Amino acid sequence: GAGVSQSPSNKVTEKGKDVELRCDPISGHTALYWYRQSLGQGLEFLIYFQGNSAPDKSGLPSDRFSAERTGGSVSTLTIQRTQQEDSAVYLCASSLAQLAGGNEQYFGPGTRLTVT
Amino acid sequence: AQSVTQLDSQVPVFEEAPVELRCNYSSSVSVYLFWYVQYPNQGLQLLLKYLSGSTLVESINGFEAEFNKSQTSFHLRKPSVHISDTAEYFCAVTRNAGGTSYGKLTFGQGTILTVHP
Repeated sequence: GAGVSQSPSNKVTEKGKDVELRCDPISGHTALYWYRQSLGQGLEFLIYFQGNSAPDKSGLPSDRFSAERTGGSVSTLTIQRTQQEDSAVYLCASSLAQLAGGNEQYFGPGTRLTVT
Repeated sequence: AQSVTQLDSQVPVFEEAPVELRCNYSSSVSVYLFWYVQYPNQGLQLLLKYLSGSTLVESINGFEAEFNKSQTSFHLRKPSVHISDTAEYFCAVTRNAGGTSYGKLTFGQGTILTVHP
């Protein structure tokens, strides 16, 4: 079956512009995560969705970052007024409902964001 | 909060040699442990996980890891590596805390395993 898909695969933007990154999870997966992978910081958690609600947003680095999920499916991560330090690979993962935290997360291929 | 330390950023080995990738974690609560692998130009894939039961867990491609609670470690081992095992390996933990766990993963910095012919 189809895995997690993300678009675009690459995005180059100028400093100060807004960007939207999209994630399509595996059908039936109610849990969705965003992570960021950068050279300096490694792999960091950003936000977790259960259905359309986000009970854990603790990893969003600033108020320039926001995310939403609609219909319990597609999620969009928005970065406003991008800065060079936002350059990273943004990864989306989905899983079955996390009843106790042990369900496997399936990762998408990522969106490589470069802010010039 | 949880933290994960992978003690080696790079591990070069020759084909058919044994390998150990080290992982230590810190947590004030019980955790689940994972190893993820990222092959060149591919996404992250789960290699193996420890949730409960036997402390030795195995993957389908010959890797194994042992949960050692007293040493707070979850080292990854393979007795004989192949060229195709060249990849970056990430150790990760999540809280084992019932309904409030959410499954959020905390990752180590990664270990690049390079297998030479």
